[in-house]
Amino acid sequence: EAGVVQSPRYKIIEKKQPVAFWCNPISGHNTLYWYRQNLGQGPELLIRYENEEAVDDSQLPKDRFSAERLKGVDSTLKIQPAELGDSAVYLCASSTRGGSYNEQFFGPGTRLTVL
Amino acid sequence: EDQVTQSPEALRLQEGESSSLNCSYTVSGLRGLFWYRQDPGKGPEFLFTLYSAGEEKEKERLKATLTKKESFLHITAPKPEDSATYLCAVQAGAGANNLFFGTGTRLTVIP
Repeated sequence: EAGVVQSPRYKIIEKKQPVAFWCNPISGHNTLYWYRQNLGQGPELLIRYENEEAVDDSQLPKDRFSAERLKGVDSTLKIQPAELGDSAVYLCASSTRGGSYNEQFFGPGTRLTVL
Repeated sequence: EDQVTQSPEALRLQEGESSSLNCSYTVSGLRGLFWYRQDPGKGPEFLFTLYSAGEEKEKERLKATLTKKESFLHITAPKPEDSATYLCAVQAGAGANNLFFGTGTRLTVIP
């Protein structure tokens, strides 16, 4: 079974530039998560989707971050414009349902460096 | 305020030297406690879920236990391939489906 796929794996941009990350979850997983992980820290949730609906985006900085999950499968996370503090690893995860006892499967992440 | 604290931040062990990693939590209404392993440059890999105090789960050289205030990840006779960062996460609160992670313990096993 294929795991969670993310691209690109690495991205280097200058501040104020836009950037987008793509995620393809495990087939059949209706719940999709985007996390941000700073160096030496645990992942922090940015947004969670149940199918195509964003059910928790309270931690997403909406002035510059946006996300979409068209057709309830693939998802894209965008930053515009990027700031120096956005340098981090952006992780995508998926699970079979958003209930209490779900196991989340993570992709390898996209390492973003903002210069 | 919900909190998850992991200790130690880093741990160096000789191969075969058993030890434990700690995850203490202060949350309202724990629904599940999760352990993940993360290798450099990779996403977290699921290890265990614990739901109630007294529960234990094992996988190879790893055993996770849970009390009302903390969880331990016991590593018996570790090998160099066990070197990784071990993350603890909790789900808590009515209707909450999200994971709240600690900062992890970076384990190094020396041959």
